[in-house]
Amino acid sequence: AQSVTQLDSQVPVFEEAPVELRCNYSSSVSVYLFWYVQYPNQGLQLLLKYLSGSTLVKGINGFEAEFNKSQTSFHLRKPSVHISDTAEYFCAVRRNSGNTPLVFGKGTRLSVIA
Amino acid sequence: DSGVTQTPKHLITATGQRVTLRCSPRSGDLSVYWYQQSLDQGLQFLIQYYNGEERAKGNILERFSAQQFPDLHSELNLSSLELGDSALYFCASSVNYLAEQYFGPGTRLTVT
Repeated sequence: AQSVTQLDSQVPVFEEAPVELRCNYSSSVSVYLFWYVQYPNQGLQLLLKYLSGSTLVKGINGFEAEFNKSQTSFHLRKPSVHISDTAEYFCAVRRNSGNTPLVFGKGTRLSVIA
Repeated sequence: DSGVTQTPKHLITATGQRVTLRCSPRSGDLSVYWYQQSLDQGLQFLIQYYNGEERAKGNILERFSAQQFPDLHSELNLSSLELGDSALYFCASSVNYLAEQYFGPGTRLTVT
């Protein structure tokens, strides 16, 4: 089975500062990795995904993530955050074959301070 | 707007009652997923349907059941409700199980 650990439950950061949200996963098989964002009172929206190929993945809203197989990590980064990035961010994993469900981390609340 | 709709947006009911949550997937999506989001358990997969058939089951209680109808909309039925069932229930849809899942806005269930 797969599992996901998001190491920080809350991350406060000043506007225009860089941010990194950490995600580690556990799996005995190859996986796909995802980052979702949830704005207040809304559903989840896919930010980016790693399926194969380049380990550096670029997503929407200026976010990127790097897949590190040896460290089983998929950390999310943004070089300069905006107030509008304030939201809950979820890392998710699933097996890269078969019909297996997404397994989500507990989420990281990013608060951008003006 | 993801194209996935869920009704109702909010639901308040008493313990022991039964409720039905409804989800309409994006046009063309055959797969529907149900998730429960609570403060203590986080976001958990409940069940998946594909073109009317159950395809995968997660941490879904026996008091809960779901179905997907011929028009591809899905309903999640929660019965004998307990206080601990209070949560946000999300529906997601995708073209197939390999494709990206698009999430609806959720139904907030409060059991009093």
